[in-house]
Amino acid sequence: KQEVTQIPAALSVPEGENLVLNCSFTDSAIYNLQWFRQDPGKGLTSLLLIQSSQREQTSGRLNASLDKSSGRSTLYIAASQPGDSATYLCAPRGNTDKLIFGTGTRLQVFP
Amino acid sequence: DAGVIQSPRHEVTEMGQEVTLRCKPISGHNSLFWYRQTMMRGLELLIYFNNNVPIDDSGMPEDRFSAKMPNASFSTLKIQPSEPRDSAVYFCASRWTGVSGLGYTFGSGTRLTVV
Repeated sequence: KQEVTQIPAALSVPEGENLVLNCSFTDSAIYNLQWFRQDPGKGLTSLLLIQSSQREQTSGRLNASLDKSSGRSTLYIAASQPGDSATYLCAPRGNTDKLIFGTGTRLQVFP
Repeated sequence: DAGVIQSPRHEVTEMGQEVTLRCKPISGHNSLFWYRQTMMRGLELLIYFNNNVPIDDSGMPEDRFSAKMPNASFSTLKIQPSEPRDSAVYFCASRWTGVSGLGYTFGSGTRLTVV
C-alpha cells in the first residue's frame, strides 16, 4: 500500500526566499507524480506533472524533481511571494490509476 | 473548457437526511474519481470509474454511501442516511486515460455539513 509523507508539515518564511518542499513515497512503482496547490477553502490546482521517466519538470518559478528509485520528489519554489501561500500536495500515481495524496505542506510567505 | 463542475458548492443537512452530490467531468475524460477531504484524514479516494464502470470502491466508508455514473458526463455520490461524521469536503476529479501520462483535474468541491 502506497504511503506518502510530506516534510515539512508547515513552513513560514519571508518573501524572496527559495524554498524546498519534500515528498517521499513507499512504493516506487509509479507512472508519474503530480504536485497540487490548494488555497484555503478551495479546490486543488495542478502545478506540475512529472513522468516516471523524467528527472525534472519546470513551470515558471516552480521546479519539481523526481528520484523514483529512492521514492522521493522535491518541489522547489524560487523567489517566494506572498501569493504562493497555500497548501502544497504531492500525489504519486501507481498502476491502479489511483492518486494517493500526502498530508501536505502548509506554506505561508509573509511580506 | 469549464473544468470539472461540482454542485452544490455547500450543503447543510440534518442527520438522517439523504444527500446527493453531483459532478460533471471534463468532456472527453473517461475516468472519474470521488475524494473526501477532512482535517483528520486528509484526501481519501472513495471510488473511481473508468468508462462509466466502477473500478474500485474500496474507499467507500460503508453502505450508506453509493455512487453512480449513468453516462460519461455525469456522476452522483449519495449518502443515505447522513451522519455528522460525514461532514467533509467532497471532491470530484477526472482524467483521460487515452494517454498514460496525463494528470488529473479537480473540481472546486462540495462542502458538506451534517448537523
